[in-house]
Amino acid sequence: AQSVTQPDIHITVSEGASLELRCNYSYGATPYLFWYVQSPGQGLQLLLKYFSGDTLVQGIKGFEAEFKRSQSSFNLRKPSVHWSDAAEYFCAVGARGNQFYFGTGTSLTVIP
Amino acid sequence: EAGVTQSPTHLIKTRGQQVTLRCSPISGHTSVYWYQQALGLGLQFLLWYDEGEERNRGNFPPRFSGRQFPNYSSELNVNALELEDSALYLCASSRGRENQETQYFGPGTRLLVL
Repeated sequence: AQSVTQPDIHITVSEGASLELRCNYSYGATPYLFWYVQSPGQGLQLLLKYFSGDTLVQGIKGFEAEFKRSQSSFNLRKPSVHWSDAAEYFCAVGARGNQFYFGTGTSLTVIP
Repeated sequence: EAGVTQSPTHLIKTRGQQVTLRCSPISGHTSVYWYQQALGLGLQFLLWYDEGEERNRGNFPPRFSGRQFPNYSSELNVNALELEDSALYLCASSRGRENQETQYFGPGTRLLVL
């Protein structure tokens, strides 16, 4: 069965520090993977996506993610976090029937 | 280019009532998706419409239904509202039916059932 796991419910980092948000997926076929960000009271904004090819993908706002098939992971990274990055981050896998399976999200707090 | 729009932004209903939520996709997108984001349950897939047809349905009871119009806009209807239907309902759109099509999300409609 398809599923996405985000092991970290909440992460706190200092502004300027590096960030890594973990995502593990379970999917039988080639996964289509996405990271979205949700600010309070808002919808989801696409950060980046992986379909095929280069396993390191670049996104908006300085984010990148690396697809590791052997580990079934698609971790999101940012070298230097800004206070405006505080939000909820969701990893998703696109499955058959165009159904996206989302992780439960990781809430990011940035301290000055 | 305008993004996905949803209306209304907020809604308060009482148990047993019916509600209709609306969504307009990005211009040129033919597929519309509905998700429920309930507290503690994360984002759950509800429905997918493409070219006016229901293409896929998540694990929700039949009182959740919808339709897609010729202009590709969509409605989500929820009958016999229950307290646990309180959630943020997100609409997304994509260009077509392929699995790898990115889904772009609207701001959502927040429904409170009292």
